Amino acid sequence: KNEVEQSPQNLTAQEGEFITINCSYSVGISALHWLQQHPGGGIVSLFMLSSGKKKHGRLIATINIQEKHSSLHITASHPRDSAVYICAVRAMDSNYQLIWGAGTKLIIKP
Amino acid sequence: GAVVSQHPSWVICKSGTSVKIECRSLDFQATTMFWYRQFPKQSLMLMATSNEGSKATYEQGVEKDKFLINHASLTLSTLTVTSAHPEDSSFYICSARRQGTGELFFGEGSRLTVL
Repeated sequence: KNEVEQSPQNLTAQEGEFITINCSYSVGISALHWLQQHPGGGIVSLFMLSSGKKKHGRLIATINIQEKHSSLHITASHPRDSAVYICAVRAMDSNYQLIWGAGTKLIIKP
Repeated sequence: GAVVSQHPSWVICKSGTSVKIECRSLDFQATTMFWYRQFPKQSLMLMATSNEGSKATYEQGVEKDKFLINHASLTLSTLTVTSAHPEDSSFYICSARRQGTGELFFGEGSRLTVL
């Protein structure tokens, strides 16, 4: 079993829909990252969380440390949101190394 | 916001040649940089952790003599793929840990194709 599990693996939705991507992990962590990877490969860091909730524009990220679970939400989704969304955690005893989820491929249709 | 620049963004080389990829933190100092490799349709794989002024720490299975990492300053780390072979063709990404805050920032990646 992977230490970081994401669901779903693939998600196709219509423009405007509310999107939720989930991330569960099995190790103790000091932080969790949500990242966005576009088809060209470049990675953008969306959020770094250690507790609670963060919001940036149409993106919302939440984390429940007790349940070892995080969610990334996209409100009013748009075709430009189409990308692979990756969850990565920093284990407590690591030197800032990340354990990566497999990613969720999101396609938003106009 | 903080920016990490990778160069080149793509490179094509002949088998047997060496290729150097640079990772620069443009507006912050990075005590630690990480190098990742991504195979098609797979997640990123950590190759090595690079601390400024010291030898890189390689993950199991990564050949240190093939993937030379140098972190000579607080703003620059380089990955050199020596004697490249077609199986080294991949997407290489670096990340840099900001000194002080510990935030991680990612480069745009470098796509290597070895012919």
